[in-house]
Amino acid sequence: DTGVSQNPRHKITKRGQNVTFRCDPISEHNRLYWYRQTLGQGPEFLTYFQNEAQLEKSRLLSDRFSAERPKGSFSTLEIQRTEQGDSAMYLCASSPGVAGPPNIQYFGAGTRLSVL
Amino acid sequence: GQQLNQSPQSMFIQEGEDVSMNCTSSSIFNTWLWYKQDPGEGPVLLIALYKAGELTSNGRLTAQFGITRKDSFLNISASIPSDVGIYFCAPANRDDKIIFGKGTRLHILP
Repeated sequence: DTGVSQNPRHKITKRGQNVTFRCDPISEHNRLYWYRQTLGQGPEFLTYFQNEAQLEKSRLLSDRFSAERPKGSFSTLEIQRTEQGDSAMYLCASSPGVAGPPNIQYFGAGTRLSVL
Repeated sequence: GQQLNQSPQSMFIQEGEDVSMNCTSSSIFNTWLWYKQDPGEGPVLLIALYKAGELTSNGRLTAQFGITRKDSFLNISASIPSDVGIYFCAPANRDDKIIFGKGTRLHILP
């Protein structure tokens, strides 16, 4: 078990470009979460999946953001027409859901996005 | 809306000193988690608390779930250089998303 893996670790893009991040959760974890963290703040919830179903989306997740988990394993987070305000660390976490201790989530190292 | 206050925002201590930080909330929670984040990395779970009044230790770390279910504290005894980082409280209700505080930044003076 290699833990939660996120790729790329860093992404620099120009304003207006689209970017996609990938998250591979811990094997057998059926819940997968995306968070955004800006400098000096704690992680803020964006969305989560139970298997392939996207069960909740935060108001922070604008129409330019879309997340998928097509086979209930890895997930992608896409940001279209990036803006400078999208610059942040994007964190992914997974949990075993009801099969494990309540609420505990295991985080990846994150993808740091810089929009120029 | 619900408010989560974590204090202090930052701490500067000497190696070997004990550290105490806490979180208070305007809402009741069933779970209090404490995470540590190193620069450029994701948060790592330190301690999980599930019962009001519960006191749990993990090595030099001790955390308590407040009786009112609206607060929690984390203590670190005999700090060492690798304790440097950002500590987050993260309360939750069962089967719900966790909410992170703004963090306490721990600095250890040489």
